[in-house]
Amino acid sequence: AQKVTQAQTEISVVEKEDVTLDCVYETRDTTYYLFWYKQPPSGELVFLIRRNSFDEQNEISGRYSWNFQKSTSSFNFTITASQVVDSAVYFCALSEAYQAGTALIFGKGTTLSVSS
Amino acid sequence: KAGVTQTPRYLIKTRGQQVTLSCSPISGHRSVSWYQQTPGQGLQFLFEYFSETQRNKGNFPGRFSGRQFSNSRSEMNVSTLELGDSALYLCASRGLQQETQYFGPGTRLLVL
Repeated sequence: AQKVTQAQTEISVVEKEDVTLDCVYETRDTTYYLFWYKQPPSGELVFLIRRNSFDEQNEISGRYSWNFQKSTSSFNFTITASQVVDSAVYFCALSEAYQAGTALIFGKGTTLSVSS
Repeated sequence: KAGVTQTPRYLIKTRGQQVTLSCSPISGHRSVSWYQQTPGQGLQFLFEYFSETQRNKGNFPGRFSGRQFSNSRSEMNVSTLELGDSALYLCASRGLQQETQYFGPGTRLLVL
């Protein structure tokens, strides 16, 4: 069965601190996709990044970076120099290959609070 | 390109009533999925529609149903509402052979 675990329920940081959100996943599929979504108080889930199971190249995009390691089944997300606007709930999600349907399995989310 | 739209944004119903929620996908997207978000259960997959056919279904009772029209717009219906159906219902669309789902703003349903 597929499962996504976000062990950190809440994280509080002060502006300009770096913060890493952890995500551990379980799947028996050899082809799968991992996602990070951000949910601000308005409720809409905002897509941040997608990684394919066959692409372990890590990525940096502005203040965001992602660390995907198949050996440890982890897909962690780091915000550098956090800002108040980064305050939101962050969800890690997993899906199998799209041909079989694309039900996203979400973790429980990590609430990030950034204070000034 | 306009994003996913959902109507209504807020809804209050009483137990036993039924409700219909609507979702318009991003132009050109033919797949629409629905999710329920509650504080206790988190985000859970309801069902996915592609080209007017239900392609995948989550573990929800038969009171939850959906359909998709030829223009890819989708509706979901919940009959005989229960208090536990109070939730944020999110719709997502994706393009053909694309893995990423893009979400709408959601419909907040309160069942009294």
